[in-house]
Amino acid sequence: DGGITQSPKYLFRKEGQNVTLSCEQNLNHDAMYWYRQDPGQGLRLIYYSQIVNDFQKGDIAEGYSVSREKKESFPLTVTSAQKNPTAFYLCASSTRQGADIQYFGAGTRLSVL
Amino acid sequence: AQSVAQPEDQVNVAEGNPLTVKCTYSVSGNPYLFWYVQYPNRGLQFLLKYITGDNLVKGSYGFEAEFNKSQTSFHLKKPSALVSDSALYFCAVRDRYMFSGGYNKLIFGAGTRLAVHP
Repeated sequence: DGGITQSPKYLFRKEGQNVTLSCEQNLNHDAMYWYRQDPGQGLRLIYYSQIVNDFQKGDIAEGYSVSREKKESFPLTVTSAQKNPTAFYLCASSTRQGADIQYFGAGTRLSVL
Repeated sequence: AQSVAQPEDQVNVAEGNPLTVKCTYSVSGNPYLFWYVQYPNRGLQFLLKYITGDNLVKGSYGFEAEFNKSQTSFHLKKPSALVSDSALYFCAVRDRYMFSGGYNKLIFGAGTRLAVHP
């Protein structure tokens, strides 16, 4: 089955702890994205990567970090510097064509203990 | 600046009636426009997109959307709503030629919750 797999589905963070959200795709897409979803605010872009070993900050990158060592994988780390991490996190991927669709994973819900 | 407005937080419609979910956009150039649907605790699923050509775009699950350049709108429609259509709907826009740092950014609206009642 082709698609995007996010894990875990639910994640709990203790104060001062870093946590990492996994995103894997087998669609052979060059571009991958991380979004944060809060109620009533739509999707906000955290980080994006257009190619392996390259990534750029989105609109709300503070308190987050990413890596892109493999085409298939784009993990997101929520660091202790992110003071309000409770949200639904969505990973997406696409080709680099402007009209192309972004395909989304099922999401990870992060809560603070 | 690019932006998307979905003026209704929630739309209520009776099953079998037509539905419309509104979207207006602002881009400096020509847009690519998208509609996505999200079911509870799930990712977004693509419904349809407008690139160029015919202003009426048909998509998945019987949905369609009409591109209106003069009104800068891209409303989502369905002739006969189903209870199973109840979900959160997102409109998104990308400026065809606006690149920032080599990236052509996709902007999402805040979402509209559709509730279809039996």
